Amino acid sequence: DAKTTQPPSMDCAEGRAANLPCNHSTISGNEYVYWYRQIHSQGPQYIIHGLKNNETNEMASLIITEDRKSSTLILPHATLRDTAVYYCAGDTDKLIFGTGTRLQVFP
Amino acid sequence: GAGVSQSPRYKVAKRGQDVALRCDPISGHVSLFWYQQALGQGPEFLTYFQNEAQLDKSGLPSDRFFAERPEGSVSTLKIQRTQQEDSAVYLCASSRLDGNTIYFGEGSWLTVV
Repeated sequence: DAKTTQPPSMDCAEGRAANLPCNHSTISGNEYVYWYRQIHSQGPQYIIHGLKNNETNEMASLIITEDRKSSTLILPHATLRDTAVYYCAGDTDKLIFGTGTRLQVFP
Repeated sequence: GAGVSQSPRYKVAKRGQDVALRCDPISGHVSLFWYQQALGQGPEFLTYFQNEAQLDKSGLPSDRFFAERPEGSVSTLKIQRTQQEDSAVYLCASSRLDGNTIYFGEGSWLTVV
């Protein structure tokens, strides 16, 4: 299972795009990249996942590099309610989380 | 149910006491996971069930930790002779099968005093 590395914290202005990077250089070929977020005192909330291709859903977009060693989660128009800790995780049969990025969205 | 349900939500245990934490996965979900999350850290994998079979218990920190899922639905995580370092949030998660999205409960907050 891949070890993931993320910056410990980031700031983003409300209404702007938040781009959260993740390094997963040890990811294996059949291992998905998952993104979750966690708001204080709640369980992790699923955002999006992908294998090779870029993915988009109602919450976010996921850009995975061609060599699959890194990915970026994009929140296109951040709101104050997007303030949370964001985790990327590798998954074959279980999720392995890193220490996450604390995103602070400010007015 | 609508989501993964865990109980108790909060538990304070005296050091040396045994505790049992319950998880009700989403109906029909075959896979069930337990994670431990210390303050300021990401969730750490403890153990994994597929139906009633415990397929991976490599993350259990000691033989004081024991998990079961006897009928392939509800699971219990038991911690014997609790110690202060066991203080953490214990998260349960479930999914339909391997490779499907894993959904988490709100967690059981354990404080050992």
